[in-house]
Amino acid sequence: RKEVEQDPGPFNVPEGATVAFNCTYSNSASQSFFWYRQDCRKEPKLLMSVYSSGNEDGRFTAQLNRASQYISLLIRDSKLSDSATYLCVVHSGGYQKVTFGIGTKLQVIP
Amino acid sequence: NAGVTQTPKFQVLKTGQSMTLQCAQDMNHNSMYWYRQDPGMGLRLIYYSASEGTTDKGEVPNGYNVSRLNKREFSLRLESAAPSQTSVYFCASSEEDRGDGYTFGSGTRLTVV
Repeated sequence: RKEVEQDPGPFNVPEGATVAFNCTYSNSASQSFFWYRQDCRKEPKLLMSVYSSGNEDGRFTAQLNRASQYISLLIRDSKLSDSATYLCVVHSGGYQKVTFGIGTKLQVIP
Repeated sequence: NAGVTQTPKFQVLKTGQSMTLQCAQDMNHNSMYWYRQDPGMGLRLIYYSASEGTTDKGEVPNGYNVSRLNKREFSLRLESAAPSQTSVYFCASSEEDRGDGYTFGSGTRLTVV
């Protein structure tokens, strides 16, 4: 089993739709969780951290389920500008223990 | 603008040639990293430098060497390029190693023919 698994998509959704991505991780000792956004042919950029209590930033909501070992990202009222690949990142402690998922590609359609 | 600067942006090498990828950050970060990104695979750590003067192997170090020249600069060298090293390379830096504070460079697209 991969350390971090994501559905690569693509998820094609119309503008205004709500879309959710999940990311599962295998190491139960994982400590920190993040979502990064990567635009086509660009570098990844931090979108948001994922806290145990869940967190929200505008149209974006991230949640953590430690019991089932997954994190989720919910995007409400999708915009064309949300089209990107969303990378799940899991930190299990130490410099070699930051694992990136392969990313989920989102395409928002007019 | 503050950030991570990588050069070159594109490079084509012939098998067996060598080259050095340059990376510099101006955020006074202690830690720097080199990753490669391949289709269908997540970013994979090649080497990292936790602080000036130290370097350590990551997940896929074979075929690469690194130098932490000073606190700002961290270079990646391919001594004898192979087609398997065709990839997009990203340099990153962070103040701490937790995964949330990574600032990436814009990447180097390397093709080895």
